[in-house]
Amino acid sequence: DIQLTQSPSFLSASVGDRVSFTCRASQAIRTSLAWYQQKPGKVPKLLIYDASTLESGVPSRFIGSGSGRDFTLTIDSLQPEDFATYYCLKTYPQGPFGGGTKVEIK
Amino acid sequence: EAQLVESGGGLVQPGGSLRLSCTASGFNFGDFEMNWVRQAPGKGLEWISYIYARGSTRNYAESVQGRFTVSRDNARNSLYLQMTSLTVEDTAVYYCARGAPHKGDAFDVWGPGTMVTVSS
Repeated sequence: DIQLTQSPSFLSASVGDRVSFTCRASQAIRTSLAWYQQKPGKVPKLLIYDASTLESGVPSRFIGSGSGRDFTLTIDSLQPEDFATYYCLKTYPQGPFGGGTKVEIK
Repeated sequence: EAQLVESGGGLVQPGGSLRLSCTASGFNFGDFEMNWVRQAPGKGLEWISYIYARGSTRNYAESVQGRFTVSRDNARNSLYLQMTSLTVEDTAVYYCARGAPHKGDAFDVWGPGTMVTVSS
């Protein structure tokens, strides 16, 4: 079974920072990866699909990249509403999720 | 607007069973793959099952294989998850989520979730 490993698990940053975190697959998955944002007590929100395609309505400061085994989510100029936990998900076929990266205020 | 609403959660004893439902509205349910995802308190997201649009193919995470069964009734716009042999490790919020074929089957619509608590 394919495993997804996210790093780091926690990231402290300030408003305006450019931050990046990664998702590594245990085997190549082409571009079959999505990224989600989840805030406490809320439903996960789709940000990126097919590794780099921005979901409609998601701000352009969210940038997905990568293919094969290594993927990156970059937030260009972190905003107050971006402090949340981010998960990657292998798609087509579905599962699993990565363990998450929590972005906290420095 | 596409919407999903789960129901059927609650308190169940270890070894017990529970059936969750997910009702869809605002889209052609029969055209979409559907998924179940859960989240234990304070933990990350765990994909647990999917079922293809016509129900021909189903898959499960290893953690629930053999204990959980996913099904759907396209005429009723409904998705189900039959859970048996429940353990305390199954305590979680259970979400149903739509897989969008034009988005690489990413989950683009989620229900608000239903809480399942397994405890004696």
